[in-house]
Amino acid sequence: KAGVTQTPRYLIKTRGQQVTLSCSPISGHRSVSWYQQTPGQGLQFLFEYFSETQRNKGNFPGRFSGRQFSNSRSEMNVSTLELGDSALYLCASSLPRDSSYNEQFFGPGTRLTVL
Amino acid sequence: QKEVEQNSGPLSVPEGAIASLNCTYSDRGSQSFFWYRQYSGKSPELIMFIYSNGDKEDGRFTAQLNKASQYVSLLIRDSQPSDSATYLCAVSGYSSASKIIFGSGTRLSIRP
Repeated sequence: KAGVTQTPRYLIKTRGQQVTLSCSPISGHRSVSWYQQTPGQGLQFLFEYFSETQRNKGNFPGRFSGRQFSNSRSEMNVSTLELGDSALYLCASSLPRDSSYNEQFFGPGTRLTVL
Repeated sequence: QKEVEQNSGPLSVPEGAIASLNCTYSDRGSQSFFWYRQYSGKSPELIMFIYSNGDKEDGRFTAQLNKASQYVSLLIRDSQPSDSATYLCAVSGYSSASKIIFGSGTRLSIRP
C-alpha cells in the first residue's frame, strides 16, 4: 500500500507570494492533518480535515488555509508569505475509528524556503 | 504550561544499554499516546502507540503508561547506533476527532 505523498518536496518563494502544497493520503484514509515543523517551535498543528470538512484548527493566522477534496486529497495554501513561514510542512493521514486510538502516518514533507 | 512536555536532550546512551525517554502531559482526558521517531531531515515515523495503563512491548521497544501520574515513557533495549534520532511523544483524546498534540521531542544519541 502506498504511503502518504506530498508535492512538491522542495519549494523556494519570496516574501509576499503565495504557495499551495498538496497531500495525498494513504488509500482508504479519510483524515488529513497538516503540521508545520521548525527547529525552534517543533511540530505545530495547523489543521485537520475529515470528509472535506475542517474538523480541528491550530493557532495559526488566517493566511494559512486548507481544503480537502472528495477523494481525501488535501491542499494547504499560505498567502502573503513571510520569512518566518520557512519550515518543513508535514501532512499526516489516519483512518479515524470509533475506538480510542487514531495513529497518524506522515508524508515526507515539503520543505518551504521563503527568501 | 506546555500540553506535552519532553526533555529536549540530547540524551547520550552507550550502545547496548537501555535508553529511557519520558513524556508528561497536562490533559487528564487524554486517552491515546504515541511515540514517533524522526531521523534528521526525515518525517516522523510511528513506532509505538499505547492507550491502556501498563506496559506494551514491541521488539526492543516498550511503552509505559501511567494515567494517574500523566506520564508515558519509551524504553529502548539493546540500543543501537541506528536508534540515534529525535523521539516525539504525542497525545490525543478519546474521540477520533481529537487533535493530536506533539511534544517538542528528545534527541537521543547512541554512542558506540
